[in-house]
Amino acid sequence: GAVVSQHPSRVICKSGTSVKIECRSLDFQATTMFWYRQFPKQSLMLMATSNEGSKATYEQGVEKDKFLINHASLTLSTLTVTSAHPEDSSFYICSARLGGGDNYGYTFGSGTRLTVV
Amino acid sequence: AQSVTQPDIHITVSEGASLELRCNYSYGATPYLFWYVQSPGQGLQLLLKYFSGDTLVQGIKGFEAEFKRSQSSFNLRKPSVHWSDAAEYFCAVGAMGAAGNKLTFGGGTRVLVKP
Repeated sequence: GAVVSQHPSRVICKSGTSVKIECRSLDFQATTMFWYRQFPKQSLMLMATSNEGSKATYEQGVEKDKFLINHASLTLSTLTVTSAHPEDSSFYICSARLGGGDNYGYTFGSGTRLTVV
Repeated sequence: AQSVTQPDIHITVSEGASLELRCNYSYGATPYLFWYVQSPGQGLQLLLKYFSGDTLVQGIKGFEAEFKRSQSSFNLRKPSVHWSDAAEYFCAVGAMGAAGNKLTFGGGTRVLVKP
């Protein structure tokens, strides 16, 4: 089936530095990818929607200059957390939308645990 | 706007007993409904989905769900749980077209399995 590979699975960074998270679709082309943030014991909150070759659409309250999303190819989307702070520590998950018709659905990466110290 | 409610935050069930997780949705058109399972520190795995047709949907790992339009519900069931079913379960509704194909998740239900 359709697989999205997300890396790294865990990252620890210092305050003020930037961290890049990658999501690759391994056996299909992902026109649309979604980035979610999940706090402990909470649900997934959509941060932004990225479409290949165009600017990402951010959800209300998400700082686009802080969470940079690039979707330059049909198989790769990246989320860069710039000037990270401890409050950015969270679990980030990407998702790709699959096909249409009976194949409609979404596949998820395995997530990235970001800890900012 | 679409929304999903999972009324039960935690459910504890004995191994071998049946399990039912509730999900209620709000959406103006025919919804695309999903159930996902998440193990700690992992991504989401699709259990099953409903778009149209038979309202009783069979999924992986012995799970099934029933779509009831009159009740705006899509409850997940399993006749006999295994210890490995302990996880977080999320119901989600998807919207095509103008809503940008976004998924909206419920708050999740954490399932604990007693031996």
